[in-house]
Amino acid sequence: QKEVEQNSGPLSVPEGAIASLNCTYSDRGSQSFFWYRQYSGKSPELIMSIYSNGDKEDGRFTAQLNKASQYVSLLIRDSQPSDSATYLCAVQKAAGNKLTFGGGTRVLVKP
Amino acid sequence: GAVVSQHPSRVICKSGTSVKIECRSLDFQATTMFWYRQFPKKSLMLMATSNEGSKATYEQGVEKDKFLINHASLTLSTLTVTSAHPEDSSFYICSARDSELAVQETQYFGPGTRLLVL
Repeated sequence: QKEVEQNSGPLSVPEGAIASLNCTYSDRGSQSFFWYRQYSGKSPELIMSIYSNGDKEDGRFTAQLNKASQYVSLLIRDSQPSDSATYLCAVQKAAGNKLTFGGGTRVLVKP
Repeated sequence: GAVVSQHPSRVICKSGTSVKIECRSLDFQATTMFWYRQFPKKSLMLMATSNEGSKATYEQGVEKDKFLINHASLTLSTLTVTSAHPEDSSFYICSARDSELAVQETQYFGPGTRLLVL
């Protein structure tokens, strides 16, 4: 079992719709969770971080964390073609510790 | 957000030569930097954790004598790929953690260095 798992996609969504991405992790001791967006040929950029159970909203993005079920999700509302990218879920066991990345989910937003 | 730079952005070298990649935190101090490698259509794989003033911690399967890491200051870490081979061709990305922040901190990624070994 991989430490951090994501559906590779591609996840195809029409412009204006909601894109829903899921991520599961295996280590119950994980404390910090991150979503990164990576455009082709570029390095990852941080979208959201979440540390406690529940929802966290930032603009069109909402991260959801459920530690009991060991999953974290990302919702992208009003999806735009510019949101087309690979979204990486990353998990951290403790502050200062290394990040473990999932394989990424490729999202395609069609006009 | 914090800025991390990498140099060079792209490098082509001959097999057997060594290549040095620099990672700098521009507006913050980073006691810890991380080096990742990413092959096409694959996720990031951590190679090593670079600690200022001490030896790097390498992930399992990463040859420390081939991938030399030096973290001589709070704003600079270097990765040297020694005796490069075509299979070392990849996208190398560094990230840095802000030392000033408390418990819940994030890593900021550099723009990456694309290495092609002929």
